[in-house]
Amino acid sequence: QKEVEQDPGPLSVPEGAIVSLNCTYSNSAFQYFMWYRQYSRKGPELLMYTYSSGNKEDGRFTAQVDKSSKYISLFIRDSQPSDSATYLCAMSGGYGQNFVFGPGTRLSVLP
Amino acid sequence: EADIYQTPRYLVIGTGKKITLECSQTMGHDKMYWYQQDPGMELHLIHYSYGVNSTEKGDLSSESTVSRIRTEHFPLTLESARPSHTSQYLCASSTRAGGSTNTQYFGPGTRLTVL
Repeated sequence: QKEVEQDPGPLSVPEGAIVSLNCTYSNSAFQYFMWYRQYSRKGPELLMYTYSSGNKEDGRFTAQVDKSSKYISLFIRDSQPSDSATYLCAMSGGYGQNFVFGPGTRLSVLP
Repeated sequence: EADIYQTPRYLVIGTGKKITLECSQTMGHDKMYWYQQDPGMELHLIHYSYGVNSTEKGDLSSESTVSRIRTEHFPLTLESARPSHTSQYLCASSTRAGGSTNTQYFGPGTRLTVL
């Protein structure tokens, strides 16, 4: 079993839809949680960052962390074709530990 | 926006050649990383460094080597390139965790093709 699991699989939604992306993890020591957006053939771009549990909102994006359930989510409101990319969750326990990434969810937003 | 740079962005090279992929960051980060990623596939950590003169192997075995002589510079070298080395190589750096801060930033990547 992988340390970080990510769902759903490849996702296609119509423009304007609300998108929910999720990751579950097994290591209770994780306390730093990130979401990255990666366009094809580009480097991952840091999208959202959350420390410990709670919610964080930035424009159309909301990140949620539930440490008790070992579950994190990214919500995208009013999705746009420009949101079409692969979304990666990542987490870490601290400076001495490396970041652990989920396998990614490929999102397509259809005009 | 992250200040982390990689050169070259694209490289096509013949088998047996020695290559060095450059990575520099101007954010003053101590920790730096190299990842390998095939198209549509997961990221795999191949090397990382805690600071000057520190290098560690990552989760994925790699024939490449790295060095860290300056804080801002973390080059990756392949002594003899082979077609199996064809991939995208991503450099990253991270802040030192302190309180609520511990984030990692990526460069644009180098797409390597070995013929």
